[in-house]
Amino acid sequence: NAGVTQTPKFRVLKTGQSMTLLCAQDMNHEYMYWYRQDPGMGLRLIHYSVGEGTTAKGEVPDGYNVSRLKKQNFLLGLESAAPSQTSVYFCASSSGGTQYFGPGTRLLVL
Amino acid sequence: DQQVKQNSPSLSVQEGRISILNCDYTNSMFDYFLWYKKYPAEGPTFLISISSIKDKNEDGRFTVFLNKSAKHLSLHIVPSQPGDSAVYFCAASDGGNQFYFGTGTSLTVIP
Repeated sequence: NAGVTQTPKFRVLKTGQSMTLLCAQDMNHEYMYWYRQDPGMGLRLIHYSVGEGTTAKGEVPDGYNVSRLKKQNFLLGLESAAPSQTSVYFCASSSGGTQYFGPGTRLLVL
Repeated sequence: DQQVKQNSPSLSVQEGRISILNCDYTNSMFDYFLWYKKYPAEGPTFLISISSIKDKNEDGRFTVFLNKSAKHLSLHIVPSQPGDSAVYFCAASDGGNQFYFGTGTSLTVIP
């Protein structure tokens, strides 16, 4: 039982490049979330999903897209990376209450 | 605007003493509150939660107190141990699908 896993752990992008962050959970949770953590800002919700095939915007959705084609996976896409998207990204899943977090992806956009 | 606030970025406590971490919120619709602990290079892990129908919840060395009228909650760790050194986040929900996190308090327990 791996819980929540995130791929990759670290990535460096140039401005304008695109990439996809993958989150996978093996707890059969309905809800999945993408957060970003920045110094002095805590965790801010980017997008979330309440079930397979559904997505919704969180607090800071601009510049990101998501997809939930399978219940166990939640993908976060950056179509054209900007330096302001340099951050640590956390994925989480839940069955409606407590959230379980992945280890994070550190993204640096130059 | 930050709906959940942790006004103390850091806290240092002697081993064996009590650690008190504070959290304030502005949204009166919040009815479920959680504390998470985060070590460097790891994701946050759930510590303890409390529903708005209670004013206290205890789990071993960890107790969370909720004062709804003051829109304030606190996490007490007694006795504090060096392994408790981490960043602590409080979070709140209004029963919907979104959770709102504070900015975190870095706790250092001095041996």
